[in-house]
Amino acid sequence: GAVVSQHPSRVICKSGTSVKIECRSLDFQATTMFWYRQFPKQSLMLMATSNEGSKATYEQGVEKDKFLINHASLTLSTLTVTSAHPEDSSFYICSARDERQYFGPGTRLTVL
Amino acid sequence: GESVGLHLPTLSVQEGDNSIINCAYSNSASDYFIWYKQESGKGPQFIIDIRSNMDKRQGQRVTVLLNKTVKHLSLQIAATQPGDSAVYFCAEIIVPFGNEKLTFGTGTRLTIIP
Repeated sequence: GAVVSQHPSRVICKSGTSVKIECRSLDFQATTMFWYRQFPKQSLMLMATSNEGSKATYEQGVEKDKFLINHASLTLSTLTVTSAHPEDSSFYICSARDERQYFGPGTRLTVL
Repeated sequence: GESVGLHLPTLSVQEGDNSIINCAYSNSASDYFIWYKQESGKGPQFIIDIRSNMDKRQGQRVTVLLNKTVKHLSLQIAATQPGDSAVYFCAEIIVPFGNEKLTFGTGTRLTIIP
């Protein structure tokens, strides 16, 4: 099946810094990618839909100025968590849509 | 609130037995459902899907049943193996304005007892 990668797999940063997470579709082109957040022992919650060449669509309650999404090519979407705080610590997962959504392995973000 | 939910948060099954994981949904307009398996620290892995015009679909050792009358979905895993231990999520596709969005249920942790 289609392969989606994320980088980094885990990151630890200080409060107030910004962190960029990359999501790549390795063997297919994806005009649409999705970003999810998952807190411990909880389900995946959709944060935003990333569309190549246009602005991302954010879910209700997700701050677009805090979670910057860029989908500059058909194989790469990035999520930047700006001015990260401890409450932003979570597991961030992306997916890319081919005939269905394929998920990346996730990025564990820990904000100290 | 969430339109997709699960009846049981945890399930333990003896290795070799069959397991059934249940899911309730509330949006009668949903026309596509997917089961995912998520192992610890990893992203969700597609297991099987079913469209609303079907009642049953079978894969390798897995069967999904859809009861639209009571808005209920189930995943049956036959002859469970230790590698089946994971959290299982059902998800539904909601298609507003042409964009497909997945809504995940709360998840069931399946533990296979050797």
